[in-house]
Amino acid sequence: SSELTQDPAVSVALGQTVRITCQGDSLRSYYASWYQQKPGQAPVLVIYGKNNRPSGIPDRFSGSSSGNTASLTITGAQAEDEADYYCNSRDSSGNNGVFGGGTKLTVL
Amino acid sequence: QVQLQESGPGLVKPSGTLSLTCAVSGGSISSSNWWSWVRQPPGKGLEWIGEIYHSGSTNYNPSLKSRVTISVDKSKNQFSLKLSSVTAADTAVYYCARAMVGGNYYMDVWGKGTTVTVSS
Repeated sequence: SSELTQDPAVSVALGQTVRITCQGDSLRSYYASWYQQKPGQAPVLVIYGKNNRPSGIPDRFSGSSSGNTASLTITGAQAEDEADYYCNSRDSSGNNGVFGGGTKLTVL
Repeated sequence: QVQLQESGPGLVKPSGTLSLTCAVSGGSISSSNWWSWVRQPPGKGLEWIGEIYHSGSTNYNPSLKSRVTISVDKSKNQFSLKLSSVTAADTAVYYCARAMVGGNYYMDVWGKGTTVTVSS
């Protein structure tokens, strides 16, 4: 079982804002990173640290954290944002990585 | 830029050992990164398997620890995964990734993945 919990599915209307959340006790100590995965492709890092975007990631993607919850926000969702999103962090011991179960985002 | 490429048998027999290699190009495996393995069973989510530093230090998923060995070959600029006593539940796409571990933890470079099927 995952130490990070995500909603299995979320939907958003085209152009609207959506927040995808990730909960876990270890998030009180470690930032989450977020990955976008489209069918048949490897995951792509979209957010890491407090709120950092790798080069090439649109600025409509942002991250935040409060207590035991990390959030990925997409402001003005586009059709190409439809994908699975995974959060990732260290476990409570800090010695191991752990992924959330993933959230399937549908853009309507 | 750094690129990663997984390689290894696509089919492994039950009770056998799965062996994969990740070749690192465009950078040195001796850089200040950890090198990770992640897998994804068909239709399921990502699972962290473990990681290695160029010094040989390793961390493993507790649920797999008794069966997993990750090693590094600095001379070949690659790292490897061995998973023993495999069953059908180990059928998955296996990814290697570069991880930053420290103030921030994230995996910024990923291989394309390789599919491993456990079947007789």
